[in-house]
Amino acid sequence: AQSVTQLDSQVPVFEEAPVELRCNYSSSVSVYLFWYVQYPNQGLQLLLKYLSGSTLVKGINGFEAEFNKSQTSFHLRKPSVHISDTAEYFCAVSHPVNDYKLSFGAGTTVTVRA
Amino acid sequence: NAGVTQTPKFQVLKTGQSMTLQCAQDMNHNSMYWYRQDPGMGLRLIYYSASEGTTDKGEVPNGYNVSRLNKREFSLRLESAAPSQTSVYFCASSEPPGLRTDTQYFGPGTRLTVL
Repeated sequence: AQSVTQLDSQVPVFEEAPVELRCNYSSSVSVYLFWYVQYPNQGLQLLLKYLSGSTLVKGINGFEAEFNKSQTSFHLRKPSVHISDTAEYFCAVSHPVNDYKLSFGAGTTVTVRA
Repeated sequence: NAGVTQTPKFQVLKTGQSMTLQCAQDMNHNSMYWYRQDPGMGLRLIYYSASEGTTDKGEVPNGYNVSRLNKREFSLRLESAAPSQTSVYFCASSEPPGLRTDTQYFGPGTRLTVL
């Protein structure tokens, strides 16, 4: 079974500053990795995903994430945040052993201040 | 193209009442899912349907039933609501088998309060 740990529950950040959201997973097999974003009072939408290949993955809205197999991590970064990036961010994993069902982390709330 | 739609958006129930949450998708996806979202716990899978005519339990199925009415629609039923079922419920769908690593698309959610 896979599990996902998001190391920070709340991340306050000033506008135009960089942000990093940390995600670690535990699995005995290779997994597929995802970051989803949930804006206030909305459903989730995909930011980016890692399936294979290059370990640096670029997503929408200037976000990117790096897959580190040795550290079992998939941290999300953005070099300069905007007020509109205020949202909750979820890391998730899936694997064919688990019929590709997503297992989500608890989420990280990012609050961007002017 | 509306994507994934859910009804109702909000609902308040009394303990013991029943209700059905509706979900429909217009993306011709084979797989559909029901999740609940609780503070500090992320999303947890209640039930899923890999294809029309099949349903399977997820992580937290107790107290719920589902029906895959057709390829487009997947409903979630609470037969006798309990306060522990107060949550935000999300429906999602994903692309056909063969592309099993694909994105799940989420509806806007239903906020349910059980008094």
